[in-house]
Amino acid sequence: EVQLVESGGAVGQPGGSLRLSCAASGFTFDDYTMHWVRQVPGKSLEWVSLISWDGGVTYSADSVKGRFTISRDNIKNFLYLQMDSLRSEDAALYFCVRGFSSSTIGSFDFWGQGTLVTVSS
Amino acid sequence: SYELTQPPSVSLAPGKTARITCGGDDIGSKSVHWYQQKPGQAPVMVIFHDNDRPSGIPERYSGSNSGNTATLTITRVEAGDEADYYCHVWDRSSEQYVFGTGTTVTVL
Repeated sequence: EVQLVESGGAVGQPGGSLRLSCAASGFTFDDYTMHWVRQVPGKSLEWVSLISWDGGVTYSADSVKGRFTISRDNIKNFLYLQMDSLRSEDAALYFCVRGFSSSTIGSFDFWGQGTLVTVSS
Repeated sequence: SYELTQPPSVSLAPGKTARITCGGDDIGSKSVHWYQQKPGQAPVMVIFHDNDRPSGIPERYSGSNSGNTATLTITRVEAGDEADYYCHVWDRSSEQYVFGTGTTVTVL
């Protein structure tokens, strides 16, 4: 059974940092591109960042470029999102998401349940 | 930046056909995916690559994509289809993924 379990959501201060983690199991982790997607409750989905199966390619949304860094550990089967220079608009539920294949372009075929980030002083 | 526009809501009686549109500039040249999200749950993919269904998704769900509009069609709508639905594409020019504004389907 495919499982994606996010953790690390917390209250972060404006200008501060948080690190999100996602534990993957039930599939061959390094066969897939992985993503982070966020959602403000009651609002639409917003793609945040992607990382290729080997970590060699990353893309990020303009809204987080230069502040957030996506990474992965294919030995431990973990996906990470380092969030720096936090802003109030970064507050959201963050989903760890599996891409449909090793390609960086395609659908998102499995989603975790999300971890909540709040930004407040 | 590329934008995808959906109607905020669609309401219909059980057994009817729901058509949810997703408008975007020349969206017909892109591969469109659709997700269903029920309250308090993570999204679930219901259509990928314009009109392919993942295993476990009923045949009542189908998609089409041409010109400036992609459409998710749900036939013989049931109470269990009540959810928010989002379209989704990769925008090659900006190298970013884009989600639609979302449509809430209500079964009366």
